[in-house]
Amino acid sequence: DGGITQSPKYLFRKEGQNVTLSCEQNLNHDAMYWYRQDPGQGLRLIYYSQIVNDFQKGDIAEGYSVSREKKESFPLTVTSAQKNPTAFYLCASSIAVYDEQYFGPGTRLTVT
Amino acid sequence: GDSVTQMEGPVTLSEEACLTINCTYTATGYPSLFWYVQYPGEGLQLLLKATKADDKGSNKGFEATYRKETTSFHLEKGSVQVSDSAVYFCALLVNTGNQFYFGTGTSLTVIP
Repeated sequence: DGGITQSPKYLFRKEGQNVTLSCEQNLNHDAMYWYRQDPGQGLRLIYYSQIVNDFQKGDIAEGYSVSREKKESFPLTVTSAQKNPTAFYLCASSIAVYDEQYFGPGTRLTVT
Repeated sequence: GDSVTQMEGPVTLSEEACLTINCTYTATGYPSLFWYVQYPGEGLQLLLKATKADDKGSNKGFEATYRKETTSFHLEKGSVQVSDSAVYFCALLVNTGNQFYFGTGTSLTVIP
């Protein structure tokens, strides 16, 4: 089955620690995205990548970093510089940046 | 700038009632329009889409028509079921911006 996997579903960390969220897709899509979802605020774009070894900042990139070393993988690191990291994080992919996006199941990160 | 505005929720309906969730947009050029659905604790799933004016997207009994004259893409269903309870997002894709714009989401609860 083709799709997008995000792991783990729930993640807990202490304040001051960096944490990396996994996103893998086997859809052979070139473009991948990370969104953050907070209650009542919809989705906000953190980073996106059009192709391997390329990525661009979205609307709320501060305190986050990404890499795109393989087409299938687009991990997101939430650094200690992110002031309010507790949120639901969604990864998505599309054939190209001008196409509809397919979403993973999400990771809920709680930082205390 | 480009944006999507959708009606605020939450919306509560009885089973078999009619549903309309309003969505209007502002965009340069010729955008594509989408409705996504998010079930509790899950990622977003594409529900339907329309890529040009007067197109009607439909899926699972839901419909939406791309109306350029009113810049709208309202989601409708003639008879909702309990299983339709979810959050619905209207989204806009503009080719010039390399980005999706999501509405803030409308929560729907259908009671038996």
